Amino acid sequence: GAVVSQHPSRVICKSGTSVKIECRSLDFQATTMFWYRQFPKKSLMLMATSNEGSKATYEQGVEKDKFLINHASLTLSTLTVTSAHPEDSSFYICSASAPTSGSTDTQYFGPGTRLTVL
Amino acid sequence: QKEVEQNSGPLSVPEGAIASLNCTYSDRGSQSFFWYRQYSGKSPELIMSIYSNGDKEDGRFTAQLNKASQYVSLLIRDSQPSDSATYLCAVNRWGGGNKLTFGTGTQLKVEL
Repeated sequence: GAVVSQHPSRVICKSGTSVKIECRSLDFQATTMFWYRQFPKKSLMLMATSNEGSKATYEQGVEKDKFLINHASLTLSTLTVTSAHPEDSSFYICSASAPTSGSTDTQYFGPGTRLTVL
Repeated sequence: QKEVEQNSGPLSVPEGAIASLNCTYSDRGSQSFFWYRQYSGKSPELIMSIYSNGDKEDGRFTAQLNKASQYVSLLIRDSQPSDSATYLCAVNRWGGGNKLTFGTGTQLKVEL
């Protein structure tokens, strides 16, 4: 159980275009999903927290108008990178929270999306 | 002081040995502790979670938690080359909205 999928796994786009990444919890309902980015040999950086039916909460320094997040259902959150530029090239990873009895939720990660902006 | 600290490594151990990975955290309100394994170019994979002081064993993995010392560790017995990866320590606290705070990870190399 607790499987999270992401699509696409890899995308190459031209500078100035927008890219949408989907994150799905396949076998559980996730009230909260998280979006991270990771540069080579660096740690995960939390970008935003996505709650079903409400606006996402962005971390300091993350442009909400550039990284649009929609959490339309309990199993789907999307991240749209608008007007992408080469510096947006990175590994984008989502996670979904699954309830854990007696404690805080556990985050399960999707396989990630590697974005390359030319 | 970083919220979650790990030695970046690399930690090299011979095949079959015990690998010991350590993590300290600064927030005494932390309640849940997780170890994730991340292979190069892949996303993190949950290895262990621990919530209470003491040891928790799962196969070749043992997580140890000492809240008084604000210390959590992961032991890997009978280390295999396939265990070579970066191990991320993450903590959560009640009221934190289920957000995780990650350490920078320890790179483990298991040598033949």
